Amino acid sequence: EAQVTQNPRYLITVTGKKLTVTCSQNMNHEYMSWYRQDPGLGLRQIYYSMNVEATDKGDVPEGYKVSRKEKRNFPLILESPSPNQTSLYFCASSFIHSTGFYEQYFGPGTRLTVT
Amino acid sequence: KNQVEQSPQSLIILEGKNCTLQCNYTVSPFSNLRWYKQDTGRGPVSLTIMTFSENTKSNGRYTATLDADTKQSSLHITASQLSDSASYICVVSPGDKLIFGTGTRLQVFP
Repeated sequence: EAQVTQNPRYLITVTGKKLTVTCSQNMNHEYMSWYRQDPGLGLRQIYYSMNVEATDKGDVPEGYKVSRKEKRNFPLILESPSPNQTSLYFCASSFIHSTGFYEQYFGPGTRLTVT
Repeated sequence: KNQVEQSPQSLIILEGKNCTLQCNYTVSPFSNLRWYKQDTGRGPVSLTIMTFSENTKSNGRYTATLDADTKQSSLHITASQLSDSASYICVVSPGDKLIFGTGTRLQVFP
């Protein structure tokens, strides 16, 4: 089954304790991205990757790192989490549709709480 | 500033009834407009994608319309079902990124 998986789905941690949220896709998509979703705000892009070893900042990259060593994996790293990073995080992978659009597939989400 | 605004913020309807959700945008340039459905605890799933030249597109009981002149879109749901309870997100793309609305939370009651 074609899918995007994220782990963990739920995480409660403390300020300053490094964490990694993994994202994996089995569709051989080149484009992957991370979003955060907060109440009253639309999904905001954190980082994206056009291909292996090619990553770039989205709209809200501060406090986050990513890596893309393999096509299928795109982990999100919080080196020193802070309470304002408490949010719902989504990973997405995309391919270019025949019509020229990026068709995005979202993972199930990771709910992170930083105390 | 590129923005996507949706209304209403939330909506409750009875099963079997129709409803229409609204989306206004100020994104420029315009490449395409999408509607996503997001079930609670799940990631968004694409319902429709429309370009500038398309003014309507259907996906089962979901029909999206686009007026590129007034920069408005609507999502019409026909004969609602309990499984339609979800958030519906309007997303507009200027080409190189996606700009998300905050969504309309729809609840369908029996």
